[in-house]
Amino acid sequence: GAGVSQSPSNKVTEKGKDVELRCDPISGHTALYWYRQSLGQGLEFLIYFQGNSAPDKSGLPSDRFSAERTGGSVSTLTIQRTQQEDSAVYLCASNELGGPYGYTFGSGTRLTVV
Amino acid sequence: TQLLEQSPQFLSIQEGENLTVYCNSSSVFSSLQWYRQEPGEGPVLLVTVVTGGEVKKLKRLTFQFGDARKDSSLHITAAQPGDTGLYLCAGSGSSNTGKLIFGQGTTLQVKP
Repeated sequence: GAGVSQSPSNKVTEKGKDVELRCDPISGHTALYWYRQSLGQGLEFLIYFQGNSAPDKSGLPSDRFSAERTGGSVSTLTIQRTQQEDSAVYLCASNELGGPYGYTFGSGTRLTVV
Repeated sequence: TQLLEQSPQFLSIQEGENLTVYCNSSSVFSSLQWYRQEPGEGPVLLVTVVTGGEVKKLKRLTFQFGDARKDSSLHITAAQPGDTGLYLCAGSGSSNTGKLIFGQGTTLQVKP
């Protein structure tokens, strides 16, 4: 596609429910990243996929968070048993080579846990 | 753990003024990037600097990478209301992976 697409753009969920956030990266980009951003703050790294390599999960804050990338393209970030502190904007980005090159970000999913 | 500290966190200035945003770390980065983010959107890449001492210019924006590759600055000349937004620096660690470490951001408001 022309850009990185994320869905839904907004999600309101009740505490304790599971949510799935989707990211469709730019076609041909081998690397895909998930970050989390609290209001007006910097970005917190969550997980990174590069080609067929094992993902770097070092940023996932707890075992309630997981992510997968199917067929080297679309990725889903799943948060189980959501908590109020999970409320944030979840941003997905991709780039071509997975090296220190600029990211193309999606517009994010704003998650609100009530 | 590599960290990037940005300063100032907030900046409110009048149109036409100059400003500088700083990004500092005690760690060495193989490259450093600057992004600009508007409300409701993802960050957009402005520039990547990779060589110590490098200076890059993008219209009224001047970016500098420190000689030791531990710090960077963004200077805006004659700021305009369209420059308003959140400015983020991001560093690629010495392992040269794709993972970026982001600063906490500088919110810039330029008043007409």
